[in-house]
Amino acid sequence: DAGVIQSPRHEVTEMGQEVTLRCKPISGHDYLFWYRQTMMRGLELLIYFNNNVPIDDSGMPEDRFSAKMPNASFSTLKIQPSEPRDSAVYFCASSQLGGPKETQYFGPGTRLLVL
Amino acid sequence: QQPVQSPQAVILREGEDAVINCSSSKALYSVHWYRQKHGEAPVFLMILLKGGEQKGHDKISASFNEKKQQSSLYLTASQLSYSGTYFCGTVSGNQFYFGTGTSLTVIP
Repeated sequence: DAGVIQSPRHEVTEMGQEVTLRCKPISGHDYLFWYRQTMMRGLELLIYFNNNVPIDDSGMPEDRFSAKMPNASFSTLKIQPSEPRDSAVYFCASSQLGGPKETQYFGPGTRLLVL
Repeated sequence: QQPVQSPQAVILREGEDAVINCSSSKALYSVHWYRQKHGEAPVFLMILLKGGEQKGHDKISASFNEKKQQSSLYLTASQLSYSGTYFCGTVSGNQFYFGTGTSLTVIP
């Protein structure tokens, strides 16, 4: 299997622009997670889905962030408008069956820089 | 809610042992351990599902004390490849949190 795929791998944008990050989970995995990692805050769970339905979005920092999963093989994380403090590495991960209780397989991450 | 790890950083010589601790303020269902190398994504090491459970993989093992809401990761006879940042992940209900991280550097 190809593993979790994320795109783009790097994104540089200016403050106020819309940013869309994309993720393709491992085929057959029922759960998809979005994380943000910064030096200051470490790894933070933003939101996770089960069978395309958002289960816990308590980690989404504010209304500027939104995530969707229109089907089992694709998810997006959108930031609109972007701000410099959104600069971070964004990881997508997927797992089977038990969701947070199971092994999570991480994608390579998207490095976002907002100027 | 974020589990606290200790120590924050440790430097070892090749062949030495290390222990990384993870402590939560919430009752835990399970504990995960991940390792992340610089510039890469976290990689799964092991899950401990029951209180008192101990697991091992090669020279890396872990224990889970459900009553104390703590887990420890044991690295024995460390190798250069063990260098990286180690994260515990705790599951409480349907909530998952990564720990604060422990940076481990193994030098020759």
